[in-house]
Amino acid sequence: GQNIDQPTEMTATEGAIVQINCTYQTSGFNGLFWYQQHAGEAPTFLSYNVLDGLEEKGRFSSFLSRSKGYSYLLLKELQMKDSASYLCAVRDGSYQLIWGAGTKLIIKP
Amino acid sequence: GAVVSQHPSRVICKSGTSVKIECRSLDFQATTMFWYRQFPKQSLMLMATSNEGSKATYEQGVEKDKFLINHASLTLSTLTVTSAHPEDSSFYICSARGDRDHEQYFGPGTRLTVT
Repeated sequence: GQNIDQPTEMTATEGAIVQINCTYQTSGFNGLFWYQQHAGEAPTFLSYNVLDGLEEKGRFSSFLSRSKGYSYLLLKELQMKDSASYLCAVRDGSYQLIWGAGTKLIIKP
Repeated sequence: GAVVSQHPSRVICKSGTSVKIECRSLDFQATTMFWYRQFPKQSLMLMATSNEGSKATYEQGVEKDKFLINHASLTLSTLTVTSAHPEDSSFYICSARGDRDHEQYFGPGTRLTVT
């Protein structure tokens, strides 16, 4: 079966750095997405990786290793507004988007 | 980036009535639209995928006669929840994708409460 694993919840301190991991097992691979979702709102796109390596976008970076079925989202200089759920999603061989359950990130002052 | 709108943002209806939710891509042509449902503190659950001009493909366990999806144009898809019951109360989110794009653009969601 297809599966995406990410931690249920993480806590970090304002100003610090946090890394949210995602591992996946899918039938084929056509890209990995990270989305941010604040409570009661729809997800917003953060990043897309299809090749191995690090994609940097401001305070957020995303890394992919296809051979390991592994990705992480790195958030730097954490701000209180970064408190949200972070969803990892993988597009499989038939271009279906498989969603992880999300990681709830709690930022403390 | 591309913009997707949903209407209404919130709706309260009585049990047994039907509710229609609209999803529009405002500045691009959405060849594919997706409908998701999300219960509190749970992840997104894909309900169905629709391609413009053809019948929607429903995920296992989603009743196609209860959740009617119409994707009649490249900018509009509708989801009708027929004979709604309290257990249908949820956050319904649509997303849209163009034919040259890898990204799905999400609408703001519709919170449905059935009393």
